[in-house]
Amino acid sequence: NAGVMQNPRHLVRRRGQEARLRCSPMKGHSHVYWYRQLPEEGLKFMVYLQKENIIDESGMPKERFSAEFPKEGPSILRIQQVVRGDSAAYFCASSPNLPASFSGANVLTFGAGSRLTVL
Amino acid sequence: SQQGEEDPQALSIQEGENATMNCSYKTSINNLQWYRQNSGRGLVHLILIRSNEREKHSGRLRVTLDTSKKSSSLLITASRAADTASYFCASGNDMRFGAGTRLTVKP
Repeated sequence: NAGVMQNPRHLVRRRGQEARLRCSPMKGHSHVYWYRQLPEEGLKFMVYLQKENIIDESGMPKERFSAEFPKEGPSILRIQQVVRGDSAAYFCASSPNLPASFSGANVLTFGAGSRLTVL
Repeated sequence: SQQGEEDPQALSIQEGENATMNCSYKTSINNLQWYRQNSGRGLVHLILIRSNEREKHSGRLRVTLDTSKKSSSLLITASRAADTASYFCASGNDMRFGAGTRLTVKP
């Protein structure tokens, strides 16, 4: 069980380029969360996805940011036309498949993060 | 949003002392979780307490939950330098985190 895998671990982009961050959830997990963290700050929720569905994107900036979690392959967080303010650590977390009636806890397993630097 | 808010923002103690940090939330929940983040790494789940529990222990960790005050506390006893990290709470299944408590344990 390889855990939650994020890549690349470090990504450098120039202003105006595109950044693509990938997240492979733990085996058997079909729920993915993305968070952004600036230095010395907390994790800011961005988006919650299930396979082929965006469940909650209330934390995503309205422009330039998008996320997907296709039926096959990893979840991808895409940032178009990056600006310096996008420089941050982006964390992905996954959780197990839960039935709709589940009222228990949704425990997250986090990846090691992808650090984006925009020059 | 059920986002938990941790306090204090920062806490510095000597090795061997106890560390207490708090979490407050706004709406009714059925569980509350605490996570730890070592510098620059992903969060690690520490402990979960359900709404029908008042206290829970795991090793040197003790978590309490007061649903009437909508608050929880995390106590780390006999702290070690390795406990230096940021600590976050997540209330309910919203999975939004606050700014965290940055704990520094001095050797």
